[in-house]
Amino acid sequence: GESVGLHLPTLSVQEGDNSIINCAYSNSASDYFIWYKQESGKGPQFIIDIRSNMDKRQGQRVTVLLNKTVKHLSLQIAATQPGDSAVYFCAELYSGNTPLVFGKGTRLSVIA
Amino acid sequence: ETGVTQSPTHLIKTRGQQVTLRCSSQSGHNTVSWYQQALGQGPQFIFQYYREEENGRGNFPPRFSGLQFPNYSSELNVNALELDDSALYLCASSLPGIETQYFGPGTRLLVL
Repeated sequence: GESVGLHLPTLSVQEGDNSIINCAYSNSASDYFIWYKQESGKGPQFIIDIRSNMDKRQGQRVTVLLNKTVKHLSLQIAATQPGDSAVYFCAELYSGNTPLVFGKGTRLSVIA
Repeated sequence: ETGVTQSPTHLIKTRGQQVTLRCSSQSGHNTVSWYQQALGQGPQFIFQYYREEENGRGNFPPRFSGLQFPNYSSELNVNALELDDSALYLCASSLPGIETQYFGPGTRLLVL
């Protein structure tokens, strides 16, 4: 399949370790944020979301942290597995009917 | 899998030609958004359709146009293709008033 990100920042982690992927968003008025996972040859897959009135939200093996002061979002993946290898995008949304604005993406490479 | 389907999966065209891409939204989702994803980049918003009408447009020229049908499926039409139109075209569907967008697998367009 094609590569969705030839020149993206890459994070390499050992299988079983925790991963932290960071994202700086652009609009201080954005009130909704989503992390997507995109595997080669596929569309972005929803992972987890968070609203601006929250600092942290947990899912299955994933945690999203939001720091509105510095406009920073992070995705933590616990016990990273080979199947987590993909490009990860954060996306922000200002209000309900405005489009998602995507960040540049980070490639996660899991070393078995 | 999200239930959003797109066709065709791959397409090769030459400069100046026209192309139509198709998207079937997830069941019950009446809002469809189209994105262009160039290699190594995050998706860029083209436009959104809600109840068969355009409901927001990104920074794309008028030769990018669309339609939404009563069954919520959608088409993206691109006229006078240029080499820079080569990209992955993604369709995403969502429920009214719900920000989360679910993406299809995309159509890979190559313009020669």
